[in-house]
Amino acid sequence: EPEVTQTPSHQVTQMGQEVILRCVPISNHLYFYWYRQILGQKVEFLVSFYNNEISEKSEIFDDQFSVERPDGSNFTLKIRSTKLEDSAMYFCAWHQGEINSPLHFGNGTRLTVT
Amino acid sequence: GDSVTQMEGPVTLSEEAFLTINCTYTATGYPSLFWYVQYPGEGLQLLLKATKADDKGSNKGFEATYRKETTSFHLEKGSVQVSDSAVYFCALSDHSGYALNFGKGTSLLVTP
Repeated sequence: EPEVTQTPSHQVTQMGQEVILRCVPISNHLYFYWYRQILGQKVEFLVSFYNNEISEKSEIFDDQFSVERPDGSNFTLKIRSTKLEDSAMYFCAWHQGEINSPLHFGNGTRLTVT
Repeated sequence: GDSVTQMEGPVTLSEEAFLTINCTYTATGYPSLFWYVQYPGEGLQLLLKATKADDKGSNKGFEATYRKETTSFHLEKGSVQVSDSAVYFCALSDHSGYALNFGKGTSLLVTP
């Protein structure tokens, strides 16, 4: 069982709507990542988050995306106005120990934008 | 920039066959290399890793050796099982930001 649970497991939303994807709970992990996987394509890095700040982000992570850790536990990814091409699996990831330890992934949230 | 190239799938094998999934990379410096596996309906699981040249990662009968001279990290298993059916992803981390750069994945189907 992963240390982190992603919710919801599946989200269906209409184009233009806002969605919030969550990783819960987080213990004392400091480094978090969001990745996405469009159906049949490679897993793509979106953003990394350390100590309540974005430390690195990809070109995919534009102004429509935001991340935060509002209560010190949940780690969220918000898509402000979804587009059809945002349909994908979204994975939360974290380091098991130190930052140079391998990444571990949650089971993902399947986002379907209609 | 850094990139990972995997052999195209799908790969279909009979049970107990030998498996090789090719992975080559381009990177500046000396990245760490990983294989992740994704079983149907599940997330990514770390299968094995190697952090420097000539290291061999191994787990569950799978092996991969970090070959700096050929910039490769091919995944092998001597005798596959039906339960090995999954998508396998090669990935690298160049340590500049610790984010992973994934290949496109190779789907493996093992038939009884």
